[in-house]
Amino acid sequence: DAKTTQPTSMDCAEGRAANLPCNHSTISGNEYVYWYRQIHSQGPQYIIHGLKNNETNEMASLIITEDRKSSTLILPHATLRDTAVYYCIVRVSNAGNNRKLIWGLGTSLAVNP
Amino acid sequence: EAQVTQNPRYLITVTGKKLTVTCSQNMNHEYMSWYRQDPGLGLRQIYYSMNVEVTDKGDVPEGYKVSRKEKRNFPLILESPSPNQTSLYFCASSLSPNRVYGYTFGSGTRLTVV
Repeated sequence: DAKTTQPTSMDCAEGRAANLPCNHSTISGNEYVYWYRQIHSQGPQYIIHGLKNNETNEMASLIITEDRKSSTLILPHATLRDTAVYYCIVRVSNAGNNRKLIWGLGTSLAVNP
Repeated sequence: EAQVTQNPRYLITVTGKKLTVTCSQNMNHEYMSWYRQDPGLGLRQIYYSMNVEVTDKGDVPEGYKVSRKEKRNFPLILESPSPNQTSLYFCASSLSPNRVYGYTFGSGTRLTVV
């Protein structure tokens, strides 16, 4: 699975868009980009995933560059409850046995009032 | 409500005293897994199970045991806990390990071994 690189921490003002970048320059053609978040030592929570097209759901949008070497998670109107650690994970969709998720240290997002 | 339930949430124990952390899911998921989370190291997989009676080691299995006698339960057993097993533990389940978007995590068990 491709390695990902994320900034250690970011700040965002409440009500503004939070844009969280992720680099995955060694991503291969059949690997998806997944985003999870972890709020204050709770269990990680799935946010969104994509292959090459941009994706949007009720929580966030995912923008993947055309060369797929990087992506950005967008929280359109960040609230205080979005303060969390955000993990970007790259993995093939049909990996056979276990193929555990590789969790980096993520980006710690602080949403400020 | 679909969920993964871990118990206990907090546990302080002494070195060498056997303990079990329970994990139960109500989603009929085949795949279950245990992780530990330590500062600066992120989430690391301890053991996983592809289905009933099918378990295998993850990255850091030393000092741990698991069992999967029923689909819904996947307990984590520490036969002789040591202080280096002080950590935050998470159980996760998914319909399949390939459905990365479908992982559901428990709320965590914070274990302290003194």
